Amino acid sequence: KAGVTQTPRYLIKTRGQQVTLSCSPISGHRSVSWYQQTPGQGLQFLFEYFSETQRNKGNFPGRFSGRQFSNSRSEMNVSTLELGDSALYLCASRGNTEAFFGQGTRLTVV
Amino acid sequence: QKEVEQNSGPLSVPEGAIASLNCTYSDRVSQSFFWYRQYSGKSPELIMSIYSNGDKEDGRFTAQLNKASQYVSLLIRDSQPSDSATYLCAVRWDTGNQFYFGTGTSLTVIP
Repeated sequence: KAGVTQTPRYLIKTRGQQVTLSCSPISGHRSVSWYQQTPGQGLQFLFEYFSETQRNKGNFPGRFSGRQFSNSRSEMNVSTLELGDSALYLCASRGNTEAFFGQGTRLTVV
Repeated sequence: QKEVEQNSGPLSVPEGAIASLNCTYSDRVSQSFFWYRQYSGKSPELIMSIYSNGDKEDGRFTAQLNKASQYVSLLIRDSQPSDSATYLCAVRWDTGNQFYFGTGTSLTVIP
């Protein structure tokens, strides 16, 4: 059974650019959550999607957005990148109870 | 306000000892609890889940839940250097679907 797949694994972007990250959940899982992890802030919740609908949203600016497709794959987009957006972005796939993380996308904004 | 708190450590134990990691949480509404291990530069890996009061054992790991006192702990017996990592406690309240994470406890097992 395949795990959670995130692409790309690494990204380097320039301030002001936008970026799209992708997450393919475990087959059969309908919930996908996104987190930002930085050394100083720990895991910060961005949003959760379930059956193509955003079910929960964290306290991030509107530059951070996401969507989920009918096959449960999810994307998150960050527009007008700032240096402070440099982080490890993690997605978590959940079935009924437990959540499993992908390997993450490490984004560096220069 | 739902909060999950962990002692950030670092916690150091000698090889072969028992490592004890603690987590407290707010709000007594029914919940589910999870422990994740995260190696430096890697993503969190689920190692234990516990849903009811008492102990749950899985190999060298034991999760302990006390809902009345609002804490959950993770014991690692016969600690190995490979257990050196950050351990994240997560809580999911039944009133919602979001996972709330603590900031993690850094564990170092000294050979």
